Amino acid sequence: KAGVTQTPRYLIKTRGQQVTLSCSPISGHRSVSWYQQTPGQGLQFLFEYFSETQRNKGNFPGRFSGRQFSNSRSEMNVSTLELGDSALYLCASSPSQGRLGDYEQYFGPGTRLTVT
Amino acid sequence: GENVEQHPSTLSVQEGDSAVIKCTYSDSASNYFPWYKQELGKRPQLIIDIRSNVGEKKDQRIAVTLNKTAKHFSLHITETQPEDSAVYFCAASQGAAGNKLTFGGGTRVLVKP
Repeated sequence: KAGVTQTPRYLIKTRGQQVTLSCSPISGHRSVSWYQQTPGQGLQFLFEYFSETQRNKGNFPGRFSGRQFSNSRSEMNVSTLELGDSALYLCASSPSQGRLGDYEQYFGPGTRLTVT
Repeated sequence: GENVEQHPSTLSVQEGDSAVIKCTYSDSASNYFPWYKQELGKRPQLIIDIRSNVGEKKDQRIAVTLNKTAKHFSLHITETQPEDSAVYFCAASQGAAGNKLTFGGGTRVLVKP
């Protein structure tokens, strides 16, 4: 099975612009979670989508949004970019047939976003 | 919400020695505690996990212990090898519907040959 893929892998944007990142989960996985990783704040949960619905949400401003398509692929969007949004954005997929621990959550390679 | 603290932030050990990383969590409803290893430039990978109804779990040189009363859990790596050098993250989840993990700040482990 192919692993979780994310595109693009690297991105440079200017403050004030918006950006869309994409995540393709492992085939058959219906849950996609997004995380932001920075040196200062570590790994922080953004949101999770399951069957095209947002199921969980972290403590990020409304500039961060996401969606999931019927094929389970997910996108996240950040509007009005700020310098502090520079980070590695990771997505993770899981089958979500039960509880975490009943199955593993697999991470993608991440998208490195740099805001200048 | 849940808060997970992880110590130490950096750990240097001699090859063959043991390494111990400790985490504390705040939400008594948390019931699933995974540990991830992230090598430089790579994605986090699950190395071991434990549920709240289990006190200890071992997998070869890696073990995790959980103290629910004190709300802390630890990762133990024995007979460390240079390939164990990486950043290790603990996390906690309530395990309810949904996959929300709260991560600790990470521990950079350096195994010196």
